[in-house]
Amino acid sequence: SQTIHQWPATLVQPVGSPLSLECTVEGTSNPNLYWYRQAAGRGLQLLFYSVGIGQISSEVPQNLSASRPQDRQFILSSKKLLLSDSGFYLCAWRRQQNTEAFFGQGTRLTVV
Amino acid sequence: SQQGEEDPQALSIQEGENATMNCSYKTSINNLQWYRQNSGRGLVHLILIRSNEREKHSGRLRVTLDTSKKSSSLLITASRAADTASYFCATDPRSNYKLTFGIGTLLTVNP
Repeated sequence: SQTIHQWPATLVQPVGSPLSLECTVEGTSNPNLYWYRQAAGRGLQLLFYSVGIGQISSEVPQNLSASRPQDRQFILSSKKLLLSDSGFYLCAWRRQQNTEAFFGQGTRLTVV
Repeated sequence: SQQGEEDPQALSIQEGENATMNCSYKTSINNLQWYRQNSGRGLVHLILIRSNEREKHSGRLRVTLDTSKKSSSLLITASRAADTASYFCATDPRSNYKLTFGIGTLLTVNP
């Protein structure tokens, strides 16, 4: 069966520090991968998605970047965090277009 | 920008009542999906309805899709306190691999 791992679950980082959030999927190959951010009490904002190794589509110009160094690994990064980067970050995967998505448990990031 | 727009944003009902949530969208879609999120957790997929389908059932869930009006509804029948959660629609467009979510409906079912 397929599983998705996202870590850490919570993170408190000072302004100006770097960020690296990792997401890995097991039990499937060549998944479509997604990073979303959710502000408190709000909907999901699509940040990045990837349909293959090294292929990253960015949805919103911002202080973040994403990379897919391996088929089932998706990394969200920042060189210098801003207060506005605080939020709940969710990674998701799906087999292909026109199928359901499976989500990780999320990372609660607080920038102080 | 968010494609799905759920309505209402918050809904409070008594156990046993039915809950109806609506979703409107703007682009051509392959399918529309509904998800549930418990507070502070990841989203869980509930149901997927394809663009050539008009209605779909899964247990106590009933989803309708009207592509001419670009709208969908999720009905939860005989609600339970455990149904308390946020519910999101997501659009899967024809033109790309994005899966775009709306702002969600917070459903509270009072025992």
